[in-house]
Amino acid sequence: GENVEQHPSTLSVQEGDSAVIKCTYSDSASNYFPWYKQELGKGPQLIIDIRSNVGEKKDQRIAVTLNKTAKHFSLHITETQPEDSAVYFCAASLSGSARQLTFGSGTQLTVLP
Amino acid sequence: ETGVTQTPRHLVMGMTNKKSLKCEQHLGHNAMYWYKQSAKKPLELMFVYNFKEQTENNSVPSRFSPECPNSSHLFLHLHTLQPEDSALYLCASSQETSPRTDTQYFGPGTRLTVL
Repeated sequence: GENVEQHPSTLSVQEGDSAVIKCTYSDSASNYFPWYKQELGKGPQLIIDIRSNVGEKKDQRIAVTLNKTAKHFSLHITETQPEDSAVYFCAASLSGSARQLTFGSGTQLTVLP
Repeated sequence: ETGVTQTPRHLVMGMTNKKSLKCEQHLGHNAMYWYKQSAKKPLELMFVYNFKEQTENNSVPSRFSPECPNSSHLFLHLHTLQPEDSALYLCASSQETSPRTDTQYFGPGTRLTVL
């Protein structure tokens, strides 16, 4: 089955700096890669996703890149703000099968004021 | 909010108690999930229901008993739990018949403490 590894497990950045979280996956058939943000006391919320037919996707201050050959994908947050502090999870699956989502272990991002 | 609600939000129970967690989704989805989230561990998938039928049980101890009476409601019945079962229990749902059925939507979770 799919195996997703996520690094780093914790990340601290100064407000205004950029943050990058990286994930690798094992199953070359996976073609859907969502990112979730989990704030304290809440469930994970989808913030951005990418499918394997594109290499990069942006939504305001967040972007995701995908390297299919190397089987890794990354989340980039620019101009970080204190409200970006949360746990971020990556995941991978075969498109069309949400039941097959495999999650990474999570990254605790802390944005220091 | 995501359209997935969970009650109660917090639960403290003794090892001999029986309690139930409830999840309801208002998204018209047909698949529902229970996850366990412990501190500093990955999300652990416990159960999957598709069209009210259980399709996965990831070696979960029998002290956890799921119930899915319809596509909108999911329960997790708890009985004689252990302190190591203390965790955040998350419910999620997804739509399994659309062309782009990729995403799971999570509820806020129930924080369970077993004394």
